[in-house]
Amino acid sequence: DIQMTQSPSSLSASVGDRVTITCRASQSVGIYLNWYQQKPGMAPTLLIYGTSILQGGVPSRFSGSGSGTDFTLTISSLQPEDFATYYCQQSVLTPTRTFGQGTRLEIK
Amino acid sequence: QVQLVQSGAEVKKPGASVKVSCKASGYRFTDYYMHWVRHAPGQGLEWMGRINAKTGVTGYSQDVQGRVTMTRDTSISTAYMDLSSLRSDDTAVYYCARGSDRYDAFDFWGQGTMVTVSS
Repeated sequence: DIQMTQSPSSLSASVGDRVTITCRASQSVGIYLNWYQQKPGMAPTLLIYGTSILQGGVPSRFSGSGSGTDFTLTISSLQPEDFATYYCQQSVLTPTRTFGQGTRLEIK
Repeated sequence: QVQLVQSGAEVKKPGASVKVSCKASGYRFTDYYMHWVRHAPGQGLEWMGRINAKTGVTGYSQDVQGRVTMTRDTSISTAYMDLSSLRSDDTAVYYCARGSDRYDAFDFWGQGTMVTVSS
């Protein structure tokens, strides 16, 4: 199985900050890497798929990069609605779709 | 518009089984995989398995293999997840999610079903 490891596990930041979350896969996933946002009590929502493609309606302050085993999610200027938990997910290994353990982004 | 509507909350005793439904609308049900994901309190997201809505072929996580069964009824565009031999650590919110044709990312999610396992 492919293991997905995110860092940090939690992060405190202020509105307007630039934030980067990393995701590392235990073996190459090519660009089959997706990012989700989850707010408390809500279902996750898709932010980015295929490493860097923004899902429709997602603000352009979100971006993704990487390939192989190392990936990043960047929020260029944090907004109040961005405080949430973020998960990466690999979708290269059939049928398994492993998630990272999550990164909780909190207000400083 | 695409919608996935799940069945309501359940409370079960250890050793029992639970069946959660997920009714899809707004797209051709048989064109996509349906995945199931759970979120236990204080934990991260855990992928449980998927079903090909056209063929019924399934694939499950090793963590729940042997206890989970995923089925679908194409006549009513509904997917089901049945989990047996419930334990307290199966207490979680269970989600269905559509696997898109773009890198199989989960583009639409159900609202979630809380399953509580308690004696």
